[in-house]
Amino acid sequence: AQSVSQHNHHVILSEAASLELGCNYSYGGTVNLFWYVQYPGQHLQLLLKYFSGDPLVKGIKGFEAEFIKSKFSFNLRKPSVQWSDTAEYFCAVHMDSNYQLIWGAGTKLIIKP
Amino acid sequence: DAGVTQSPTHLIKTRGQQVTLRCSPKSGHDTVSWYQQALGQGPQFIFQYYEEEERQRGNFPDRFSGHQFPNYSSELNVNALLLGDSALYLCASISGQEAFFGQGTRLTVV
Repeated sequence: AQSVSQHNHHVILSEAASLELGCNYSYGGTVNLFWYVQYPGQHLQLLLKYFSGDPLVKGIKGFEAEFIKSKFSFNLRKPSVQWSDTAEYFCAVHMDSNYQLIWGAGTKLIIKP
Repeated sequence: DAGVTQSPTHLIKTRGQQVTLRCSPKSGHDTVSWYQQALGQGPQFIFQYYEEEERQRGNFPDRFSGHQFPNYSSELNVNALLLGDSALYLCASISGQEAFFGQGTRLTVV
């Protein structure tokens, strides 16, 4: 079955630490890849997306992600996190002509000031 | 402001009852998807509506039904509520491959 897995359910970091959140999917066809963020009390917002082209994509607030097709991965990175990055992060995948997004379980990120 | 509005924001229902949730997509968006997000999990696709027709359905029972109106707004109906239907219900307004989400409706079944 098609699925998306996020490696860590909870991550705690100090400010200025580097961040990498893992995302892997199980599907051999064409994919569109997304990272969404949900700040406390807010709606899901798009951080970044990959459709085609350069596998290193940059999003808002200094986030970037790299698509590695051979590893079926789309990991999210940020060189130096801030307290305001405390949120839940979701990886989502759109597979071929399927209309649905398939989501990971999310990673709750807590940044200690 | 997401531009996607959902109502109500919170709802408490009793087992066996029926519920209707509503969604207005962003201006100009003609496609709406509904997702269920249980506590501690990622959203699960319920169905998508386009041109007032259900275009695709996820793995949800027939108790879950929907409708899309000519103005592209949409409703999600759930019949014979179960305790397990307690979740956050998200409406996504679709443009191309991108989904824009509302705040959701928190449904609690007691």
